[in-house]
Amino acid sequence: DAGVIQSPRHEVTEMGQEVTLRCKPISGHNSLFWYRQTMMRGLELLIYFNNNVPIDDSGMPEDRFSAKMPNASFSTLKIQPSEPRDSAVYFCASSLGTLNTGELFFGEGSRLTVL
Amino acid sequence: TQLLEQSPQFLSIQEGENLTVYCNSSSVFSSLQWYRQEPGEGPVLLVTVVTGGEVKKLKRLTFQFGDARKDSSLHITAAQPGDTGLYLCAGAGGSRLTFGEGTQLTVNP
Repeated sequence: DAGVIQSPRHEVTEMGQEVTLRCKPISGHNSLFWYRQTMMRGLELLIYFNNNVPIDDSGMPEDRFSAKMPNASFSTLKIQPSEPRDSAVYFCASSLGTLNTGELFFGEGSRLTVL
Repeated sequence: TQLLEQSPQFLSIQEGENLTVYCNSSSVFSSLQWYRQEPGEGPVLLVTVVTGGEVKKLKRLTFQFGDARKDSSLHITAAQPGDTGLYLCAGAGGSRLTFGEGTQLTVNP
């Protein structure tokens, strides 16, 4: 069975450019999560969706970040404009239930470098 | 804000040694999950403990949830190079899943 699929795996861009990260959750999973991982701060929850509806976006750093889930099989995380401090690995995860405390299945991550 | 502190932050040992990593908090969690993350990959769930005092074994890995459900430990017996990775605990409570910062384990052959 396919797991959570993220793209791109690696992205190098210049400050000020728009970045779009994509995620396809596991089929049948009702919850989708976007996390950011850095050495300094570890894994941070940015936003999560239940049944395609954003539930908690309190972890989104600022207005430069936005996330959408137009349907049950696709989500995007957009950064516009990007800054060097946004450099991190961004993970998408999905979960079977609608609780945000369930077991998570992570994708392989998108490593973003902003120069 | 619920915080989970993991210790040690880094651990480098020889193959065959035993080790324990800890996950501590002042908050009570309804359950606690342990994940392992290998380089270039996302975290993978190892186990979930739910009941205070619960002990779960996964081959050479033993997980324990504290009686008060505030802390947990992971013990690895006879570590192998394949155990190398970042071990993350995550506590469920207050409608959130809170991750610790992880223990980076290196097992040298």
